[in-house]
Amino acid sequence: AQSVSQHNHHVILSEAASLELGCNYSYGGTVNLFWYVQYPGQHLQLLLKYFSGDPLVKGIKGFEAEFIKSKFSFNLRKPSVQWSDTAEYFCAGGTNTGNQFYFGTGTSLTVIP
Amino acid sequence: NAGVTQTPKFRVLKTGQSMTLLCAQDMNHEYMYWYRQDPGMGLRLIHYSVGEGTTAKGEVPDGYNVSRLKKQNFLLGLESAAPSQTSVYFCASSYQDRGRGNTEAFFGQGTRLTVV
Repeated sequence: AQSVSQHNHHVILSEAASLELGCNYSYGGTVNLFWYVQYPGQHLQLLLKYFSGDPLVKGIKGFEAEFIKSKFSFNLRKPSVQWSDTAEYFCAGGTNTGNQFYFGTGTSLTVIP
Repeated sequence: NAGVTQTPKFRVLKTGQSMTLLCAQDMNHEYMYWYRQDPGMGLRLIHYSVGEGTTAKGEVPDGYNVSRLKKQNFLLGLESAAPSQTSVYFCASSYQDRGRGNTEAFFGQGTRLTVV
């Protein structure tokens, strides 16, 4: 079955620390990959997306992700986190022929000032 | 553009009551989805639709029904609410980009449902 998994459930960082959140997908074919952010009490918003081309994708708010096909991974990174990055982060995947999104279970990030 | 709008935003139901959640999108998207979000379980797909008049089951469809009579609206119904259906419900829409497949999902603000 097609699925997306996130390894880190809860991450706590101090401000200015670097962030890397893991995401792996378990299906083949042409993959579309996404990272969403959900701030407390709000809906999911797109951070970045990958369809094809340059495997290093830059998104909003200084986030980036790297697609590594050989590792089936799409990890999210940010060089220096801020308190305002405290949120839940979801990785999601799809395919170029499918009509569903497969969401990971999410990673809760807490940034301590 | 309003994007994806869900009504209501909050609701408390008694066990056995019924209700309908409305999702409306103004982006002319073909695809619409209903998810439920529970702590530690992420987003789980309840039902989805790939076009007006079509619906399909997702991962957790039991206890829910849906209808897509108009392209812009996707309704989620609970015929007989149960405490296990206490959750936050999100509607989303997306469109197919030829050759790329399913593009990003646009989410509504969510409906917090409590069944007592």
